[in-house]
Amino acid sequence: EPEVTQTPSHQVTQMGQEVILRCVPISNHLYFYWYRQILGQKVEFLVSFYNNEISEKSEIFDDQFSVERPDGSNFTLKIRSTKLEDSAMYFCASSWTGGVYEQYFGPGTRLTVT
Amino acid sequence: SQQGEEDPQALSIQEGENATMNCSYKTSINNLQWYRQNSGRGLVHLILIRSNEREKHSGRLRVTLDTSKKSSSLLITASRAADTASYFCATQTGASGSRLTFGEGTQLTVNP
Repeated sequence: EPEVTQTPSHQVTQMGQEVILRCVPISNHLYFYWYRQILGQKVEFLVSFYNNEISEKSEIFDDQFSVERPDGSNFTLKIRSTKLEDSAMYFCASSWTGGVYEQYFGPGTRLTVT
Repeated sequence: SQQGEEDPQALSIQEGENATMNCSYKTSINNLQWYRQNSGRGLVHLILIRSNEREKHSGRLRVTLDTSKKSSSLLITASRAADTASYFCATQTGASGSRLTFGEGTQLTVNP
């Protein structure tokens, strides 16, 4: 069964450093998303991406964040200058279109900012 | 209160018992979805119910939706130890491709 994959599974970085989180969505899906979950809290939407542009973003997704689909398979989330409060589990998700609403989530990348 | 609030926050039952989790939300929705998350893992989609549906079944899962009360319930029948996980409801207000808004989740523990 097709699945969303994410790399790395765990990333440790120092405050102020740039990180890139990578995702490979399900191949025939057209919508891509990033969510995050701070430890012990609920899952929060960051951004959705469709047709090579951001279609929706939350108030969390400020200028420090960017997304890119550099090729036909990868979808990345970049955090330019990490802060301690960026420590969280980051989930990539993808969905098809045509009235199908389920979003399929990857296993997540645990980002730890020290 | 925020969109998608579950109760109870935690539920502990014995194997074979039924587990019921509730979710309330604030705004009009297109659909409501339930996801499961095992500890430290990703989210697994369980079931989706559209705003014009009242009840849906999938295996041992039964979901109801009451749009007049803006609430949903997830029933897991004949629970198993493997059902131990966090369960989240998530609402979608717009069209396909729009954001999911998650609730706080219910931590279900099924004791063998």
